[in-house]
Amino acid sequence: GQQVMQIPQYQHVQEGEDFTTYCNSSTTLSNIQWYKQRPGGHPVFLIQLVKSGEVKKQKRLTFQFGEAKKNSSLHITATQTTDVGTYFCAGPNTGNQFYFGTGTSLTVIP
Amino acid sequence: DADVTQTPRNRITKTGKRIMLECSQTKGHDRMYWYRQDPGLGLRLIYYSFDVKDINKGEISDGYSVSRQAQAKFSLSLESAIPNQTALYFCATSDGRGGLTDTQYFGPGTRLTVL
Repeated sequence: GQQVMQIPQYQHVQEGEDFTTYCNSSTTLSNIQWYKQRPGGHPVFLIQLVKSGEVKKQKRLTFQFGEAKKNSSLHITATQTTDVGTYFCAGPNTGNQFYFGTGTSLTVIP
Repeated sequence: DADVTQTPRNRITKTGKRIMLECSQTKGHDRMYWYRQDPGLGLRLIYYSFDVKDINKGEISDGYSVSRQAQAKFSLSLESAIPNQTALYFCATSDGRGGLTDTQYFGPGTRLTVL
């Protein structure tokens, strides 16, 4: 079945350093979504990418969708303590089930 | 989102007990989902429902059942709980208008411990 893998599983960075998480799918995705889950909270939608090679920015966050639509990345520039949490990518299969990635847990050290 | 609520928020139970987790939403969405979250495994889909008469198994449905009592209510049951069902359970909704681009809105989660 479809799998969506994320790396790394954990990342510790000093405040101000950059952070990147990568998402890889075993199949081509029609679109990919990113969610953020704060510690003790629930996943919250961040953004959706649809087009091959698409790049979107939200302030310090940059999201990319690969040319083959099988991988994606989230890059955070100059991390802040408010960026702490787990970041998930998610992609749909043909049955409209969303497969969530395994997540990357980000810790920001002040 | 406060529009999606889950009860209880925490539950400790014993092996073999029947447990029901409830989800209610005021978003008016047709689609509802149940996920479980385990460390290192991300979110895995248990069941989903596209409308009141539609119920579908997800990736890990064994040991679980669901009931869609109304558009706004979707409950998850563990018929005979076992320790490896200890996890954080999330309910989610989507409006279905986006098809494969639906955004999912999650409830606050239920932390279930099976002893």
